[in-house]
Amino acid sequence: GAVVSQHPSWVICKSGTSVKIECRSLDFQATTMFWYRQFPKQSLMLMATSNEGSKATYEQGVEKDKFLINHASLTLSTLTVTSAHPEDSSFYICSALLAGGPNEQFFGPGTRLTVL
Amino acid sequence: GNSVTQMEGPVTLSEEAFLTINCTYTATGYPSLFWYVQYPGEGLQLLLKATKADDKGSNKGFEATYRKETTSFHLEKGSVQVSDSAVYFCALSSNSGYSTLTFGKGTMLLVSP
Repeated sequence: GAVVSQHPSWVICKSGTSVKIECRSLDFQATTMFWYRQFPKQSLMLMATSNEGSKATYEQGVEKDKFLINHASLTLSTLTVTSAHPEDSSFYICSALLAGGPNEQFFGPGTRLTVL
Repeated sequence: GNSVTQMEGPVTLSEEAFLTINCTYTATGYPSLFWYVQYPGEGLQLLLKATKADDKGSNKGFEATYRKETTSFHLEKGSVQVSDSAVYFCALSSNSGYSTLTFGKGTMLLVSP
């Protein structure tokens, strides 16, 4: 139980294009999901907290117009990297909180984004 | 602000060796402490946690004790297996509002037969 999936697992795109990454809780409902970014040999950095049906809360320094987050249902949150540039290349990981369950985040396997 | 520092890897051990991965933290108040493990190609999984000082978290032979006096939460295992090869992340949660996690950089463990 408590499985979180991400799609795609990897994506390569051209500079200037937009890329959408999906995060799904497969067997539970998640009112809250989190989006992280991980650079090589560095820790996971929280980008934003996504709440179902409301606007995401972004961490300081994260451009909300650059990284669009939508949490339209209890099982799906999406992260769209708009007008991607090479410096956006990174590993993006989502996690989900089980609604009404223990205060524990369940993590997806991550998405590797490479912008050429 | 909160921060977590863990030893850099990779840590290379032979099977059945003793494992220690050091983790220290800086936080206000009384955080909860976690160890997550990431196996190749998979997402992070919670390995163990401790929510207050002197608590010991344990799972799958791994242990870590919440030491407030030294602000540490070192991960130990008495006898590692090849299947323990993974990246281990120490993390803390300030317990305020959502369970926002602050992670260390991760330590890769490589266990050879």
